[in-house]
Amino acid sequence: QVQLVQSGAEVKKPGASVKVSCKASGYTLRTYAMDWVRQAPGQGLEWVGWLNTGNGNTEYSQKFQGRVNITRDTSANTAYMELSSLRSEDTAVYYCARVRAYSFGYFDSWGQGTLVTVSS
Amino acid sequence: DIQMTQSPSSLSASVGDRVTITCRASQGINNYLAWYQQKPGKVPKLLIYAASTLQSGVPSRFSGSGSGTDFTFTISSLQPEDVATYFCQKYNSAPATFGQGTKVEIK
Repeated sequence: QVQLVQSGAEVKKPGASVKVSCKASGYTLRTYAMDWVRQAPGQGLEWVGWLNTGNGNTEYSQKFQGRVNITRDTSANTAYMELSSLRSEDTAVYYCARVRAYSFGYFDSWGQGTLVTVSS
Repeated sequence: DIQMTQSPSSLSASVGDRVTITCRASQGINNYLAWYQQKPGKVPKLLIYAASTLQSGVPSRFSGSGSGTDFTFTISSLQPEDVATYFCQKYNSAPATFGQGTKVEIK
């Protein structure tokens, strides 16, 4: 069955970068697009960005432009989200979510989430 | 960017009650709308896509309707296991914006 397994929790200092991985199993990564979503403590869901896993094209939220980079390694069936210049407001659970389409679409499978804590 | 406005932000209802949540898009999105359920401490779960199509395995007491800018999500008979926060999301193009969420509790 489809499974998305994310890397473990991270603690980072302000100004540092974090890279979260999302390994897909049960299907071939490049068949469906992948999005990243975050959720700050006690808050709602916030869209971070989108990856065309076939050609590597990306779309990012204006809020994170210049700070986020979403990539993939098709040989490892894994997607990655890197966020740089971290600040305390970036403390959140980050989710990868499979798009039920090659391009844009709804999210039919989610990773378990990765807690990123930014603290001095 | 298209904004998604969801209401109410929270509600409390009795077991067996009919519960309705609305989601409004600032511009038309055809039927490119999904609804997710997130139970406390859990990962969001897809309930409905294409505004009204029930995801496989989701109980039939959940339903959705609407097109264009106005959408409705309904639980026909609220059950204790439905305590959760519900989010709408538009997905026709980037950004895939979510509504603010509706927290549903049992009275």
